[in-house]
Amino acid sequence: YEVTQSLSVSVALGQTAKITCGGDNIGSKNVHWYQQRPGQAPVLVIYRDTYRPSGIPERFSGSNSGNTATLTISRAQAGDEADYYCQVWDSSTAFFGGGTRLTVL
Amino acid sequence: QVQLQESGPGLVKPSETLSLTCTVSSDSVNSGNYFWTWIRQPPGKGLEWIGDIYRSGNTDYNPSLKSRVTLSIDTSKNQFSLKLSSVTAADTAVYFCARQRDFPRGYFDYWGQGTVVTVSS
Repeated sequence: YEVTQSLSVSVALGQTAKITCGGDNIGSKNVHWYQQRPGQAPVLVIYRDTYRPSGIPERFSGSNSGNTATLTISRAQAGDEADYYCQVWDSSTAFFGGGTRLTVL
Repeated sequence: QVQLQESGPGLVKPSETLSLTCTVSSDSVNSGNYFWTWIRQPPGKGLEWIGDIYRSGNTDYNPSLKSRVTLSIDTSKNQFSLKLSSVTAADTAVYFCARQRDFPRGYFDYWGQGTVVTVSS
């Protein structure tokens, strides 16, 4: 199962960033999102398409429909600069997208 | 706060076996609520799921690595372990252990800090 992400996304400080994750009928799967800052372990920011773990700001939200899942970061801050990975399961195997580098300008 | 900590050699010779252990704190690997997972990240690249293990010893492996991977769990030490045989330079990566929630086929809610493993003679 192939999961595709754009290599990079840029967003102006305070604006909204959208990071997409594509896959065949991905809307039928649960999509999870992770943030990874340089030199650190990934952190779960969205699970089961739309749910935020405790401690993750409300500025992070998710959606999933058709062939695209989307992570939306509202009011982007400098601290949001990181790599973001989506993750799904298919045939009992976990697949990660290739990651999207978010740059906050 | 749940904590996971990877440990093991940072340098492994080609064709040998990579062995890592993950020690869990403030949770129990004997809990029936989670799977325990290994994930790796080659330098400058993305994340790759290696496999999961449950308290019973039941395992799931990435098909691309299945022939070389063995996961085990030691509930008395609150640890789980990874062995990867016949390593090559392509196995050079940061190796993470993680807790999987909402199994089967859930999400990874706690991660270790990762440990760098280099395959080189």
